[in-house]
Amino acid sequence: NAGVMQNPRHLVRRRGQEARLRCSPMKGHSHVYWYRQLPEEGLKFMVYLQKENIIDESGMPKERFSAEFPKEGPSILRIQQVVRGDSAAYFCASSPWGGSTEAFFGQGTRLTVV
Amino acid sequence: AQTVTQSQPEMSVQEAETVTLSCTYDTSESDYYLFWYKQPPSRQMILVIRQEAYKQQNATENRFSVNFQKAAKSFSLKISDSQLGDAAMYFCAYRSGNPKAGGKLTFGQGTILTVHP
Repeated sequence: NAGVMQNPRHLVRRRGQEARLRCSPMKGHSHVYWYRQLPEEGLKFMVYLQKENIIDESGMPKERFSAEFPKEGPSILRIQQVVRGDSAAYFCASSPWGGSTEAFFGQGTRLTVV
Repeated sequence: AQTVTQSQPEMSVQEAETVTLSCTYDTSESDYYLFWYKQPPSRQMILVIRQEAYKQQNATENRFSVNFQKAAKSFSLKISDSQLGDAAMYFCAYRSGNPKAGGKLTFGQGTILTVHP
């Protein structure tokens, strides 16, 4: 049973480009969470999605960031017009249902903006 | 809003010794869950141990145990018989028990644990 798969593991973008981060949850999981980890800091919640629905986006920056979790395919975190401050590790976690007390994490995508 | 604080940026321990990592949290809720996650250099977040707030008994997983003091809002992790493979960043995390809050986690800043042979 494959775990949570994130790709790419490393992503380099120039300032102003778009970054697309993908997350395939564990089989049978329909709830996805995205977190951002800035250097030397803990993980910060960004957004919580179910299939085709954004449930909680209270941690998402108001501009340039968006997330989706379509009926088919992986969840996507999109960052438009990236800036240096977006450089971070982005983690995805999935759970089988919203009340589950355990979330399984992917290995993260390290985004570097040059 | 809930906050989680880890006041020890770094800790070190000799192999086979015991070390305790500290965590405090702030919440007005009575129903919640607390976690310790381990993040080795591979960046993979690994769940170490979980504690339900309604349980008075401290959770234990092999060499890992917690000291949960609900009134003091303290949740420390004790690692016994430390091994070289325990070296990692450790995060304390909080999850609300309110279903409307979803399952999002609030993390502390992390503690880097070094294990000396």
